[in-house]
Order: sequence, then C-alpha cells, then structure tokens
Amino acid sequence: ETGVTQTPRHLVMGMTNKKSLKCEQHLGHNAMYWYKQSAKKPLELMFVYSLEERVENNSVPSRFSPECPNSSHLFLHLHTLQPEDSALYLCASSQDFSGAKETQYFGPGTRLLVL
Amino acid sequence: GQNIDQPTEMTATEGAIVQINCTYQTSGFNGLFWYQQHAGEAPTFLSYNVLDGLEEKGRFSSFLSRSKGYSYLLLKELQMKDSASYLCAVRKDSNYQLIWGAGTKLIIKP
Repeated sequence: ETGVTQTPRHLVMGMTNKKSLKCEQHLGHNAMYWYKQSAKKPLELMFVYSLEERVENNSVPSRFSPECPNSSHLFLHLHTLQPEDSALYLCASSQDFSGAKETQYFGPGTRLLVL
Repeated sequence: GQNIDQPTEMTATEGAIVQINCTYQTSGFNGLFWYQQHAGEAPTFLSYNVLDGLEEKGRFSSFLSRSKGYSYLLLKELQMKDSASYLCAVRKDSNYQLIWGAGTKLIIKP
C-alpha cells in the first residue's frame, strides 16, 4: 500500500538543527493531516489542511511549521526541537475534511529522535 | 471532557477469538472507527460504525452501542499476523476531528 508516503522514515537531530518531514499522497484527496504519536498516548492532531489552506492549528509550538504547497504534498519543518518532541509523526489524508464517514489514510510515519 | 478508554494490552492464542473493548465519553457522536497498526507501520482502517449493531467483515467484526458509549472489535480465528495495536477513534460531529484512544496492543501466542 503506497497511498501515503513519508520521508524520511527515521530521523535523529540535535536541538539546534533544522530538518523537514515530507508527506505525499497519491489518492487524489483534498485534506491532509499531521499527527504526533507518542508511546502509549492517543494520537495528537497537530495540523489540518484542506485544499492547501490550513484549517486547524492545535496549539502546536512554533518550532513546528507546516507547509502545503499543493493538495498532494505536505511538509513539517522542524527547528530548535526539544527532547520531548521525540515521537512518531504521522501524515494522513482524506477525500474531504468534513463528512461523518470520511476515512483518514495514514502514511508509515517518521520516527524522530531529538538529542 | 472527551475520553476514550481501551485496555493497554491483551494476549490471545493463535486460532482463538479475542474481543477488544472501547468505551467513550464525548460531547457528541457521529461515528466510531477502528484502525490496526503494526509496529513501525501506518495505522490502517478496519471498520466504521455509526448505527447500533454488529458489522462483520471476514474474520473481523465491530459492534456499537451508542446508548452505552461502547464498542468492541471481535477478531476470530486469530493469526500471528494479527499481533498489532488496535486504535479506537470517535468522530463527535461532522468535521474531521477524531478523538483517539491510546490503543490496545494485542499479542498473539502460538
């Protein structure tokens, strides 16, 4: 299943580094999402884009900066992260962002370790 | 507040049946999802329930009782490949927001 791809799959960075996570969806969807998944915790929604416009920013620290250049691509730019930001970052997409039965399709995630 | 509860971990035997429960308390309800997530992989969609009752899909079934705020995922004829985490999520209104449980890690033993 390669509907939603993410790169890199693993990333180790220092607190002063700048890096970017990339997500691409091949499903023709209009909505894309960034989630943070920490061990034994529920998925945390970070950002939502619908037709390249941001519709949600869930009180995420400014050291995380999303970018959606088109409906197929989503980036998460990272700078001056903290060790507690270490987690699995998941990208997802759905046909639209509203609608009760809208199913979100996930990428495999980027495992991030901040040293 | 919004809350989804699932057991943290369950163990079952290959070939057996297991039921994973999910209880929810949300300010609204507009459907419940189950996802499967193998270690290091993407969560994948399993089922969606919005009306009370049982939905069957091969070896997997999902049940919903809205009055009780309760759902379960039933896995039959367990296989080793069913070892994974199972995530329950509730949509409380018509938009994209899902409220997620922390997931249940299912371990299948031979």
